Amino acid sequence: QVQLQESGPGLVKPSQTLSLTCTVSGGSISSGSYYWSWIRQPAGKGLEWIGRIYTSGSTNYNPSLKSRVTISVDTSKNQFSLKLYSVTAADTAVYYCARISSTVTTFFDYWGQGTLVTVSS
Amino acid sequence: SYELTQPPSVSVSPGQTASISCSGDKLGNKYACWFQQKPGQSPVLVIYQDNKRPSGIPERFSGSNSGNTATLTISGTQAMDEADYYCQAWDSSTAVFGGGTKLTVL
Repeated sequence: QVQLQESGPGLVKPSQTLSLTCTVSGGSISSGSYYWSWIRQPAGKGLEWIGRIYTSGSTNYNPSLKSRVTISVDTSKNQFSLKLYSVTAADTAVYYCARISSTVTTFFDYWGQGTLVTVSS
Repeated sequence: SYELTQPPSVSVSPGQTASISCSGDKLGNKYACWFQQKPGQSPVLVIYQDNKRPSGIPERFSGSNSGNTATLTISGTQAMDEADYYCQAWDSSTAVFGGGTKLTVL
């Protein structure tokens, strides 16, 4: 059973960089046809996709965030990471990491528990 | 950019059938997924590839997708099904989520 766990600072100052890591257990991040993704959810609002990475390093980002986002992968640690630059209060949200299965079709099959990141001085 | 539209809320009586719609331009030409999210919990995949149920998801959950609308149907709705539901599809290499529908079982 694959498990994902987000980690990182719960408080980030405006204009600084939000950095989160997702640790994958129960399987190798390099095996199979999987992408690894970040999604966020402001309190009381809907889900917003941030981006995804394949273990080859290939990435796709939400066009609305693309200029401020970098997703990277560290296969040796079975982790992938998110960096969101120049944050504002609007970036305050619960951040989820998730696995995307990509065989016949593409879908999010496993999610982390989520971590709340607050942007405030 | 591609958009998916869901009704903000749907109400259903216990034991009845709930239907939640998700509309998008030519959505039927894409595959739709549905997620259930209960308060304080992560989303859970309940339908993928329009109408397939992951292991462990009850048979009362079903899906369809045609034209511009995907529909999640919950037959014999139970109190435990009260949750927010999100549709999702891929537009090229970008994931798009609907705004979510709050299902109330009363």
